Amino acid sequence: NAGVTQTPKFQVLKTGQSMTLQCAQDMNHEYMSWYRQDPGMGLRLIHYSVGAGITDQGEVPNGYNVSRSTTEDFPLRLLSAAPSQTSVYFCASTLISGGVPSPLHFGNGTRLTVT
Amino acid sequence: AQKITQTQPGMFVQEKEAVTLDCTYDTSDPSYGLFWYKQPSSGEMIFLIYQGSYDQQNATEGRYSLNFQKARKSANLVISASQLGDSAMYFCAMREGITQGGSEKLVFGKGTKLTVNP
Repeated sequence: NAGVTQTPKFQVLKTGQSMTLQCAQDMNHEYMSWYRQDPGMGLRLIHYSVGAGITDQGEVPNGYNVSRSTTEDFPLRLLSAAPSQTSVYFCASTLISGGVPSPLHFGNGTRLTVT
Repeated sequence: AQKITQTQPGMFVQEKEAVTLDCTYDTSDPSYGLFWYKQPSSGEMIFLIYQGSYDQQNATEGRYSLNFQKARKSANLVISASQLGDSAMYFCAMREGITQGGSEKLVFGKGTKLTVNP
């Protein structure tokens, strides 16, 4: 059981560079999301998706793009990295339910440094 | 206004003692759920316990229990018989619109760092 897989684990970028953080899940979860974690700030939602072809913005979407072409994959793109995007990024997924909600399953995170 | 407030940036507890981590929340939605996650120093996020707003009893999972006081809008995590491995960051989170099949979005608090002393 792979669960939620994020790659890479670590990344260093220069200001202005672009990159894609990969996220894949093998649990057939409809809902996928990206969070960033900064010291003293908890986790803040960047973007989320409720199914293939459907994405929406979270609390801190600026500077990030997402797409959802398959149920399994939900990549996060930084088009022009800025030092303010230095953070730890988590991908998380869950089933969409109308009853008792299932918890978010998290990947192990990507630590990104922008210099 | 913050939806989830964790007022204790850091807490210390002696091994084998119980500890309570505070969480207050703000919502006007009658249907919501509260989650607690643990983040050890290795960085992964581990789900601990869930409490629904309509649940009649406080949730329990092994050594974890939730002291849910709906009128006070608080959902404090109680860890009994603390172990050294409990040292970690603990996050409280809320999801609204539970019964309507609403958003799966979780809003997190800023966390409490728990240190268990031997």
